[in-house]
Amino acid sequence: EDKVVQSPLSLVVHEGDTVTLNCSYEVTNFRSLLWYKQEKKAPTFLFMLTSSGIEKKSGRLSSILDKKELFSILNITATQTGDSAIYLCAVEHAGGTSYGKLTFGQGTILTVHP
Amino acid sequence: SAVISQKPSRDICQRGTSLTIQCQVDSQVTMMFWYRQQPGQSLTLIATANQGSEATYESGFVIDKFPISRPNLTFSTLTVSNMSPEDSSIYLCSVVIYEQYFGPGTRLTVT
Repeated sequence: EDKVVQSPLSLVVHEGDTVTLNCSYEVTNFRSLLWYKQEKKAPTFLFMLTSSGIEKKSGRLSSILDKKELFSILNITATQTGDSAIYLCAVEHAGGTSYGKLTFGQGTILTVHP
Repeated sequence: SAVISQKPSRDICQRGTSLTIQCQVDSQVTMMFWYRQQPGQSLTLIATANQGSEATYESGFVIDKFPISRPNLTFSTLTVSNMSPEDSSIYLCSVVIYEQYFGPGTRLTVT
């Protein structure tokens, strides 16, 4: 059975802290790993990772994938209250009828206090 | 990227009734996906909607409960039939245009 596991499930930090969110996976037909930020209803896209060891960066956020150990991390430096959200990790499946399907982890609830 | 709209944004419905959710994309896409997010849970794929063929449902979801239409390459509907309080969720459509993008979601409450 395909599985995506995120840790921690929740995290409370203060502004300026750095956080690391973890995502491990066991899936068949891996195509990519995606990170989303969910504040209200719709997840907003952060990163798509397909290759091991290549860091993707956007401002204070960065992410990297390890396809050998089957995990990814999302780092947020100098956190701000606006970073408070649920961070979702998802694995996209490849091939045939599974193409494009996403299996999501449980999410990490990040709360950043002023 | 893609601009995706959903209607309605939210609704409160009585048990036993049905609700149809619409999803419109500003680009032509082959596949559209429908997800459900129950309160406090992560997203679960309901079905994949391909234009010109029957939708493909994931384990635990059936066509009688969640009929889907896909009349063209920019539009799809999901109906939640014979609703019960357990159907209270956020329903999201998504498309893949290199990356996968989500619509704004429909928050459904069944009383």
